[in-house]
Amino acid sequence: KNQVEQSPQSLIILEGKNCTLQCNYTVSPFSNLRWYKQDTGRGPVSLTIMTFSENTKSNGRYTATLDADTKQSSLHITASQLSDSASYICVVSDRGSTLGRLYFGRGTQLTVWP
Amino acid sequence: EADIYQTPRYLVIGTGKKITLECSQTMGHDKMYWYQQDPGMELHLIHYSYGVNSTEKGDLSSESTVSRIRTEHFPLTLESARPSHTSQYLCASSPRGVEAFFGQGTRLTVV
Repeated sequence: KNQVEQSPQSLIILEGKNCTLQCNYTVSPFSNLRWYKQDTGRGPVSLTIMTFSENTKSNGRYTATLDADTKQSSLHITASQLSDSASYICVVSDRGSTLGRLYFGRGTQLTVWP
Repeated sequence: EADIYQTPRYLVIGTGKKITLECSQTMGHDKMYWYQQDPGMELHLIHYSYGVNSTEKGDLSSESTVSRIRTEHFPLTLESARPSHTSQYLCASSPRGVEAFFGQGTRLTVV
């Protein structure tokens, strides 16, 4: 069964600190993996997207890594800001269909305190 | 910022009413999706479309229906709303199924 598991479920950090969010998946055949940021009451916004051949990608203070062999990804946030408080969702796409099915994790709820 | 719009953003409606949630995108994407998301939970696919006149049911069973008469428009309809339909509904579109662009969502409350 294709699944995406994220940890931790929730995380609280102080402003300025770094943190790392984890994503493990069993989706096969793998196409790509994306990290989205979802603010409360809003739609998800894409942060990074990685294909099989990519093992790291950065977007400002966000750096995502991918290990396609172990089927693990991480999202590292550097020098956190209050505006980073949101849910971070790992989304994996398969290439077994023309639709490119998306499999969503439940997200990690990040809270940044001043 | 992707050009995909959902209306209304918030809706409170009585049981038994018929409602239509609107979703429009101006990017010319063929693929469009509707997801349902309860608080703190993952997104569940309820409907998708490959293009005009193409609609399919997703993973999560839903009493809603959709239509795709125009590329840019993908409305979702509930014929008779019930409290169990209370949730957030997210619309998305994709150019090639590789990346999805989401709307802001409609938070529906059925009382």
